[in-house]
Amino acid sequence: SSELTQDPAVSVALGQTVRITCQGDSLRRFYAGWYQQKPGQAPLLVIFGNNNRPSGIPDRFSGSSSGNTASLTISGTQAEDEADYYCNSRDSSGNHVLFGRGTKLIVL
Amino acid sequence: EVQLVESGGGLVQPGGSLRLSCAASGFTFSSYDMHWVRQATGKGLEWVSGVRTFGDPYYLDSVKGRFTISRENAKNSLYLQMSSLRAGDTAVYYCARETSTNAFDVWGQGTMVIVSS
Repeated sequence: SSELTQDPAVSVALGQTVRITCQGDSLRRFYAGWYQQKPGQAPLLVIFGNNNRPSGIPDRFSGSSSGNTASLTISGTQAEDEADYYCNSRDSSGNHVLFGRGTKLIVL
Repeated sequence: EVQLVESGGGLVQPGGSLRLSCAASGFTFSSYDMHWVRQATGKGLEWVSGVRTFGDPYYLDSVKGRFTISRENAKNSLYLQMSSLRAGDTAVYYCARETSTNAFDVWGQGTMVIVSS
């Protein structure tokens, strides 16, 4: 597969839980990573290796993967979590890097 | 402090060339695969090119033959030589470090490339 599919936008009420998904055949074989990007800033890695949090990332961020779908879950969503979220992985051959088109998270 | 700092962006005419640089500090540069990722204004992230620790490069199909990635481990530096530039190459270009799980854990602040007459 040569693409990773994400919903363009997702909304969540303040304090609630939201799940953002990423679909692609290559996710059956390769790890997914998740990035948060706020306007005017470089992307920030929030999940690597499907379900690992880098140091400094709040534990309300978690990841999982099953079959061809990787998921980013934010529990107790905060106002500062409003951002664009991108998944990434490799293509099926492993020779190219893929990014999803991004999901805009709106916190209500 | 682990850091990546890009430079070399600017305004260039269609068909022109530009060389981007990325200076790494705070980590053993030679031990990591490194990449360039770009983002057009208002658009998503697009991987452009990567280079493995031993120098083997790989490219997005649309830049193959026009862009050349290289690294100089002795200078802790990553480069992207871009030629035959097109309007569609206009974007912020980020350099990024790859982890063992294919994730990009360190990013630079980006350098803007504008291809316009």
